[in-house]
Amino acid sequence: SQQGEEDPQALSIQEGENATMNCSYKTSINNLQWYRQNSGRGLVHLILIRSNEREKHSGRLRVTLDTSKKSSSLLITASRAADTASYFCATANQAGTALIFGKGTTLSVSS
Amino acid sequence: NAGVTQTPKFRVLKTGQSMTLLCAQDMNHEYMYWYRQDPGMGLRLIHYSVGEGTTAKGEVPDGYNVSRLKKQNFLLGLESAAPSQTSVYFCASRNPGLRSDQETQYFGPGTRLLVL
Repeated sequence: SQQGEEDPQALSIQEGENATMNCSYKTSINNLQWYRQNSGRGLVHLILIRSNEREKHSGRLRVTLDTSKKSSSLLITASRAADTASYFCATANQAGTALIFGKGTTLSVSS
Repeated sequence: NAGVTQTPKFRVLKTGQSMTLLCAQDMNHEYMYWYRQDPGMGLRLIHYSVGEGTTAKGEVPDGYNVSRLKKQNFLLGLESAAPSQTSVYFCASRNPGLRSDQETQYFGPGTRLLVL
């Protein structure tokens, strides 16, 4: 079964607005990763947050992690049309040898 | 560097036919993965390999076989294709370790497979 579940499934916003996506997971983790997938392309790594971190920034991305609630959020500030994509959270399997992905949030940013 | 490449990009099969998807990486990664992506299901792990000559089952291994005869290549085989195997298949790779760059998976562009 999939470890992470993103919410919402789909999100539509205007350029310049902020977009927030959430991820819930089931078991304890060492870290959680977020990936982006543009239509028809492979996934690209965005950011990794470790279990002992609460917040991490990378450019317009802000990720938070709450291990007590087993949840993470990805915030994209001042969104652009180019941010239109699907976003996935991922955590490692028990052996730490593979990533298990959620079903993703599809973000649409209109100009 | 080409990164992770996949061959072919698109294929149509008839039910019962067999085929092999090829994944190649030029980053000297130890770990390689095959995922399938279906609408509304996200990515699901089919098989993976933690080194040359080793393979392991993922979440949805039935109907697929894999081989890792060379470190840079990871083959996914369908012995007798079924319509339920219509999907987009992604290969990924990374190195073992706890550094952030080592835990990042690098993905290929995908192979679209249609089974009629």
